[in-house]
Amino acid sequence: DAKTTQPNSMESNEEEPVHLPCNHSTISGTDYIHWYRQLPSQGPEYVIHGLTSNVNNRMASLAIAEDRKSSTLILHRATLRDAAVYYCILSSWANFGNEKLTFGTGTRLTIIP
Amino acid sequence: DAGVTQSPTHLIKTRGQQVTLRCSPKSGHDTVSWYQQALGQGPQFIFQYYEEEERQRGNFPDRFSGHQFPNYSSELNVNALLLGDSALYLCASSLFQGVLPPEAFFGQGTRLTVV
Repeated sequence: DAKTTQPNSMESNEEEPVHLPCNHSTISGTDYIHWYRQLPSQGPEYVIHGLTSNVNNRMASLAIAEDRKSSTLILHRATLRDAAVYYCILSSWANFGNEKLTFGTGTRLTIIP
Repeated sequence: DAGVTQSPTHLIKTRGQQVTLRCSPKSGHDTVSWYQQALGQGPQFIFQYYEEEERQRGNFPDRFSGHQFPNYSSELNVNALLLGDSALYLCASSLFQGVLPPEAFFGQGTRLTVV
């Protein structure tokens, strides 16, 4: 499995944008980039995923570098509820089937009121 | 929609015993994956079931086995429990979409403590 590298922890002020980086220099052409987050005492929650182009949804935006070796999850206006561990995951859907998610240790995001 | 439900929420077992954990997937989902999450670590993939068959398996011993029923619900069985099996066990469900990655929905997990 291709590996991702994320900072162990980050802090951000409430109501400000947050940029969570992820490096994935060994990404292959068929790897999708996924972001999940895990709030305290809960299971992981899907945030967003993309392949090559930047993606937006109601929760966040995903900015993917042109060479795809890095990506950034953007929370446009952080709230206290966004405090969680954020996981950047690569997974290939080249094979016909459901692919597993390989979690690393993620980035623990702290929101300062 | 109840989402993914897991039972029980907490469980204490003795070393050497066997345990069965249960998962009901989100309505409309046909694929169930199981993960083990040790304290302070990210979830680790155990295996995945689709069409009542084990489709993929992570690096876990044969003591870990599973089953998927016709209604898509699933069980995770662990035999000969070790102290190191103490963890949060997460079930994730998704809808198979061929070559497109699905969004996985996770349950709250079962906290297993082996003493």
